[in-house]
Amino acid sequence: AQTVTQSQPEMSVQEAETVTLSCTYDTSESDYYLFWYKQPPSRQMILVIRQEAYKQQNATENRFSVNFQKAAKSFSLKISDSQLGDAAMYFCAYRRINRDDKIIFGKGTRLHILP
Amino acid sequence: NAGVTQTPKFQVLKTGQSMTLQCAQDMNHEYMSWYRQDPGMGLRLIHYSVGAGITDQGEVPNGYNVSRSTTEDFPLRLLSAAPSQTSVYFCASSKYPPDRGDQPQHFGDGTRLSIL
Repeated sequence: AQTVTQSQPEMSVQEAETVTLSCTYDTSESDYYLFWYKQPPSRQMILVIRQEAYKQQNATENRFSVNFQKAAKSFSLKISDSQLGDAAMYFCAYRRINRDDKIIFGKGTRLHILP
Repeated sequence: NAGVTQTPKFQVLKTGQSMTLQCAQDMNHEYMSWYRQDPGMGLRLIHYSVGAGITDQGEVPNGYNVSRSTTEDFPLRLLSAAPSQTSVYFCASSKYPPDRGDQPQHFGDGTRLSIL
């Protein structure tokens, strides 16, 4: 069974600094997708970044980038130049490539931004 | 394009009451799902649907029913509310089958449900 593990329940970072959120996963599949979602206090779920497992190049989206280590089954999120609006819960997620819609989430990491 | 719309945003129920959480999307998405979010548990899949007329159970289906009579709507029914169902509920949808591409899910704003 696939699992997603976020080992950091909470993290804090100084405004304008860089922070890395960790995520590991377990799967026997060779092709799959990985995601990072942000959940601000408004409780919406916002897609931050996604990565295709068959692509070696790490995905980037403005200040957000990932370090995808397929062999190690690691998918960390780096936030550069942290801003107060980045304060939120962050969820790592995994989806298999097959005909169902199951997406598996980690338990989340709460990120605090210190002014 | 309103995206995924969930109603109500908040609801308080007494144990044993029934209610339906509404979810609608106007993006013509085939795939819709319901999740519950609990502290320390992350997001857990309750039920999902791969198209109108087709539903299936997720990780935590007990105590919930769903139906998918139209592409747009995917209501979640609590048959007899229990305190253990106190949670925040999210509805999500996506357009293409997962094996056609990395289509992320679009989430609604959530429904906070309290069972007394």
